Amino acid sequence: EVQLVQSGAEVKKPGESLKISCMGSGYSFTNYWIAWVRQMPGKGLEWMGMLYPDDSDTRYSPSFQGQVTISADKSISTAYLQWSSLKASDTAMYYCARGGIGDRRGLFDPWGPGTLVTVSS
Amino acid sequence: EIVMTQSPATVSVSPGERATLSCRASQSVSSNLAWYQQKPGQAPRLLIYGASTRATGIPARFSASGSGTEFTLTISSLQSEDFAVYYCQHYGNWPPYSFGQGTKLQIK
Repeated sequence: EVQLVQSGAEVKKPGESLKISCMGSGYSFTNYWIAWVRQMPGKGLEWMGMLYPDDSDTRYSPSFQGQVTISADKSISTAYLQWSSLKASDTAMYYCARGGIGDRRGLFDPWGPGTLVTVSS
Repeated sequence: EIVMTQSPATVSVSPGERATLSCRASQSVSSNLAWYQQKPGQAPRLLIYGASTRATGIPARFSASGSGTEFTLTISSLQSEDFAVYYCQHYGNWPPYSFGQGTKLQIK
């Protein structure tokens, strides 16, 4: 079974750094893109960016470029999303999702359960 | 960047009836259009890809159509578990891969 397991909820203060994770199992991790999607409280889905674990090719949404860093450690089938200095506006649920192959790289299935990040002073 | 617009924002339908949700792309996405379902407290789930192909395990009461810029998701004979938020998303070419703002399907 293809599965994505995400790290647990985080509560942080503004200005702190954070790195959350997404571990893939049940498939060849290096051969599928991994995407990150933000969902702010009560709002819709926003594609943040994605990474191809085999060569670390990374693409960002213009809205998130420079705000977050996406990385991966293919030796442990894990992708990461990190912030160097959190803001209150980063409070959201963050999902990872597996992209498809080739022209379907932007088709996301399955999704991880999400990591809730709360940033508050 | 392609902008996806869904309508209506909220639709109220009685169980057993049919629901029709719409999605429009600001430019042609060919058939590279997906629909996702999100229930409260859950991650989104892929329902439809290629504009009209049901994902694995999706019941036949879910159907979809369209190409280019206009797309429709139809749920016939609504079940209680179908009341959720539905998002469309284009996935063609390179990113950014934008989602529609969602349509909330609620019980009438």
